[in-house]
Amino acid sequence: SAVISQKPSRDICQRGTSLTIQCQVDSQVTMMFWYRQQPGQSLTLIATANQGSEATYESGFVIDKFPISRPNLTFSTLTVSNMSPEDSSIYLCSVEGGTGETSGAHADTQYFGPGTRLTVL
Amino acid sequence: KQEVTQIPAALSVPEGENLVLNCSFTDSAIYNLQWFRQDPGKGLTSLLLIQSSQREQTSGRLNASLDKSSGRSTLYIAASQPGDSATYLCVVNIVGGSYIPTFGRGTSLIVHP
Repeated sequence: SAVISQKPSRDICQRGTSLTIQCQVDSQVTMMFWYRQQPGQSLTLIATANQGSEATYESGFVIDKFPISRPNLTFSTLTVSNMSPEDSSIYLCSVEGGTGETSGAHADTQYFGPGTRLTVL
Repeated sequence: KQEVTQIPAALSVPEGENLVLNCSFTDSAIYNLQWFRQDPGKGLTSLLLIQSSQREQTSGRLNASLDKSSGRSTLYIAASQPGDSATYLCVVNIVGGSYIPTFGRGTSLIVHP
């Protein structure tokens, strides 16, 4: 299976500041996904990040608020910009183990990182 | 638009019971269905993946079934243990390869000693 790590695991931030979350995968994957899970809610997809192209954002999420980088096939970052208390959530990185990927990931299975717990004061 | 519903929303049982968690989806044209476990404040752990052509998958005390025609999947947990306490999420992936999954809201399970 694919192993995903995220940094930081948690952070407490002040209103108006920005936080960049890193996601590292132990195998090369084409598609990486960023999710948000607000307290008591299920996961909501923020955007899909493909290497070499701009991220695709879901309705309600914009690049200015959640800029994403995808410099290579094993790494991505999500920045939460100009934070407010409403941004307090768990942010999760996910990858798809599709065909053609390098060792580790099983096809058609989704793998999730451990999450980053963000609290905005 | 695909909608995924999980019933019950919460469940509290004594240790040793056999459990059934239900997941229903509105569009039967799915690519696959995956069951995850989420421990409080943590990420997700994949439990079982069922392809659209399969009827069930088993892993240890867990068994997941899929009935595409009726839009249902069940997760069966045998001989539940306190360590099974977690939220269980059903995730449906649609046909088309765009791989935008739809999540249920989860079933929060507590198994008490």
